[in-house]
Amino acid sequence: LAKTTQPISMDSYEGQEVNITCSHNNIATNDYITWYQQFPSQGPRFIIQGYKTKVTNEVASLFIPADRKSSTLSLPRVSLSDTAVYYCLVGELNAGNMLTFGGGTRLMVKP
Amino acid sequence: GAVVSQHPSRVICKSGTSVKIECRSLDFQATTMFWYRQFPKQSLMLMATSNEGSKATYEQGVEKDKFLINHASLTLSTLTVTSAHPEDSSFYICSVPQSSYNEQFFGPGTRLTVL
Repeated sequence: LAKTTQPISMDSYEGQEVNITCSHNNIATNDYITWYQQFPSQGPRFIIQGYKTKVTNEVASLFIPADRKSSTLSLPRVSLSDTAVYYCLVGELNAGNMLTFGGGTRLMVKP
Repeated sequence: GAVVSQHPSRVICKSGTSVKIECRSLDFQATTMFWYRQFPKQSLMLMATSNEGSKATYEQGVEKDKFLINHASLTLSTLTVTSAHPEDSSFYICSVPQSSYNEQFFGPGTRLTVL
């Protein structure tokens, strides 16, 4: 199983762009990269998923270099409500291996 | 995506009692559901995979006789914590996978406190 490594915590200010990087050196050919957001006392919420290059949706962008050994979640112009824990998962759900949550990154957005 | 509910949202019980937690997929038929446990300030830990119409698959170190899982229909899975002890106090979260997109839809979680 591909193991993920993320910074434990990050601080930012409202209006700034936040980039959270996840390392996954052992990513397999069929693995996808998925990011979840979790607020206190709530279940995680899907943010974005990608396989390679760049993926963008209404809330975030995901940058994946050619070697796919890392990925960067980019949150544009964060607000206080973006304060949460962000998890990077790697694997293929159909194979039952995108179920391991790493430590996550605790993002604190300050006013 | 799938809408997943859990009941109850929080429960407090005495040591030695059993507690049942329900996970419902409200708009999606789920042959598989996942149960996670999360201790304060820690990450989610997969406990077991709930399979509709068959036995659950438990992760290493999770006692199947203590955490009973029943997945009797395509929309409901239940987790029963038997003979609960204070160390079982945790946040229990279920999820429903949407296989075609490799995505999980999580329930809101159940906070269990064992006195």
